[in-house]
Amino acid sequence: EVQLVQSGAEVKKPGESLKISCKGSGYSFTNYWIGWVRQMPGKGLEWMGIIYPGDSDTRYSPSFQGQVTISADKSISTAYLQWSSLKASDTAMYYCAKSTGIVGASDAFDIWGQGTMVTVSS
Amino acid sequence: SYELTQPPSVSVSPGQTARITCSGDALPKQYAYWYQQKPGQAPVLVIYKDSERPSGIPERFSGSSSGTTVTLTISGVQAEDEADYYCQSADSSGTYQVVFGGGTKLTVL
Repeated sequence: EVQLVQSGAEVKKPGESLKISCKGSGYSFTNYWIGWVRQMPGKGLEWMGIIYPGDSDTRYSPSFQGQVTISADKSISTAYLQWSSLKASDTAMYYCAKSTGIVGASDAFDIWGQGTMVTVSS
Repeated sequence: SYELTQPPSVSVSPGQTARITCSGDALPKQYAYWYQQKPGQAPVLVIYKDSERPSGIPERFSGSSSGTTVTLTISGVQAEDEADYYCQSADSSGTYQVVFGGGTKLTVL
């Protein structure tokens, strides 16, 4: 079964750092883009960025460039999303998702992780 | 920045046809995708490449494209189709900025 399993919910304070993970299984992890999507409470989906684990080619939405870092470790089939200094406005559900492999970096996502809720509060 | 525009809400009675639109200047040149999201769940891909349906998605879901607008059509709407629906596409300027539409809440009356 193709699946993405994300790390658990996090509660952090403003200014703290955080790295959340997304582990793929059941498919060739290096051959499909993995994207990250933010959903703030009660709001819509926001495309943050995407990485190709095979060569670590990474693209960011202008809205998130410089705010987060996307990385991957293909040896353990895991992608990451990290912050160096969290803000209260980073409070959201974060989803990782696997591309269909048809188009490229702007591809659709056919498999989604269960989501990681990040709460940033003093 | 590139934007995709969806109506905030659409309401239909069971058995009727629901049409949800998504407008964007680059849609004639870029594929559009549609997702269904139910409360507390991750999104599910229901249409890709404008009109293709992934395996396991009911035939009542279809997609079409005309100029700068793409449309998700749900024929014979069922109560279980009540959800938020999002379109996704990219701009065509070369930066490949990928965006989601703002989402449409489908209410089954």
